[in-house]
Amino acid sequence: SQELEQSPQSLIVQEGKNLTINCTSSKTLYGLYWYKQKYGEGLIFLMMLQKGGEEKSHEKITAKLDEKKQQSSLHITASQPSHAGIYLCGAVLRDSNYQLIWGAGTKLIIKP
Amino acid sequence: DGGITQSPKYLFRKEGQNVTLSCEQNLNHDAMYWYRQDPGQGLRLIYYSQIVNDFQKGDIAEGYSVSREKKESFPLTVTSAQKNPTAFYLCATSPGTGTYEQYFGPGTRLTVT
Repeated sequence: SQELEQSPQSLIVQEGKNLTINCTSSKTLYGLYWYKQKYGEGLIFLMMLQKGGEEKSHEKITAKLDEKKQQSSLHITASQPSHAGIYLCGAVLRDSNYQLIWGAGTKLIIKP
Repeated sequence: DGGITQSPKYLFRKEGQNVTLSCEQNLNHDAMYWYRQDPGQGLRLIYYSQIVNDFQKGDIAEGYSVSREKKESFPLTVTSAQKNPTAFYLCATSPGTGTYEQYFGPGTRLTVT
């Protein structure tokens, strides 16, 4: 969706390295959701962010919401093979009728 | 064992045939959704339902139909009018009470030849 842009589209990272994935909205964000998907499977909920400046962590994954920039970043520290997959952001935007709008996803590959 | 089930995992059909994808949930969630996912693209909303016996079209409803006769079930029919039906189909649910967080089933991969 052009309303929600994810970058990069794909990422290859050496195991143990840090990485960041971004999700940028063209409209005001009312809530931002991060999910992870393994190929051919359903989406697993990671984190939800609602307030500007909010930051949440789950194990080695941290997500932040920059409300002014209408952007969220997902940061993985010391990446592991288990982090490989597709990361998708979904957001409730102004005018989205309370439905989640989705980014195209970022494919993460971890090199051993 | 709570959650969302989609069956079957893989489905093959000949062009011109209608096919129905199953989605069942025991989370007692009010809202249910059907998405289509194509390679390199995000999720595109096909239909959604916020209460029983009511549903709304999403962004790409043409060639699809749904029903919501029970809270637990939200089957999706891919009709022969859908020009490019081969895709990965995901069903999701949401509590529908002040939260937009969605929970996903394992998906059904439909191949039409």
